[in-house]
Amino acid sequence: GENVEQHPSTLSVQEGDSAVIKCTYSDSASNYFPWYKQELGKGPQLIIDIRSNVGEKKDQRIAVTLNKTAKHFSLHITETQPEDSAVYFCAASRGGGTSYGKLTFGQGTILTVHP
Amino acid sequence: GAVVSQHPSWVICKSGTSVKIECRSLDFQATTMFWYRQFPKQSLMLMATSNEGSKATYEQGVEKDKFLINHASLTLSTLTVTSAHPEDSSFYICSARSSSYNEQFFGPGTRLTVL
Repeated sequence: GENVEQHPSTLSVQEGDSAVIKCTYSDSASNYFPWYKQELGKGPQLIIDIRSNVGEKKDQRIAVTLNKTAKHFSLHITETQPEDSAVYFCAASRGGGTSYGKLTFGQGTILTVHP
Repeated sequence: GAVVSQHPSWVICKSGTSVKIECRSLDFQATTMFWYRQFPKQSLMLMATSNEGSKATYEQGVEKDKFLINHASLTLSTLTVTSAHPEDSSFYICSARSSSYNEQFFGPGTRLTVL
């Protein structure tokens, strides 16, 4: 099955700095890669996603890059703000077959943005 | 759009009792719903995949007789934890997937505490 590795486990930055979180996946058939933000005591919230036919996607201060050959994808947050502090999870999923829609999550990254 | 609700948000029960958790997609039809369990400071672990009108598919190691899942309509899935024990205490999160896209939208989670 799919295995997703996420690094770093914790990340501390100063407000205004950039933050980068990286994930690798093992299943070459995976073609959907979402990123989720989870605040304490709440469910994960989708912040951005990318499909395998695209190399990069941007949404304001958030961007995701995908390298299919190397099987890794990254989340980039620019101009970080204290309210960006949360746990971030990457995930991977394949389309088609019995695994359709099943997400495999990374271990999570605790991001702390210091004012 | 894409709102998923869960009820209750938290529940405390005695050991040996059963607890039912509801998951609803409020503004879209979800042919597939997923149930996850999350222990403190850990990632989300998929328990089962629930398809409307058919039996749920459980992940390896998840007892289907203990975690009963019903997906009776395109907007409602329920998880019943039967004969709950303290080790079942956890954060249970559902997600719903649109029939048209790969995105999953998560509910706010249910905190279960078994005394």
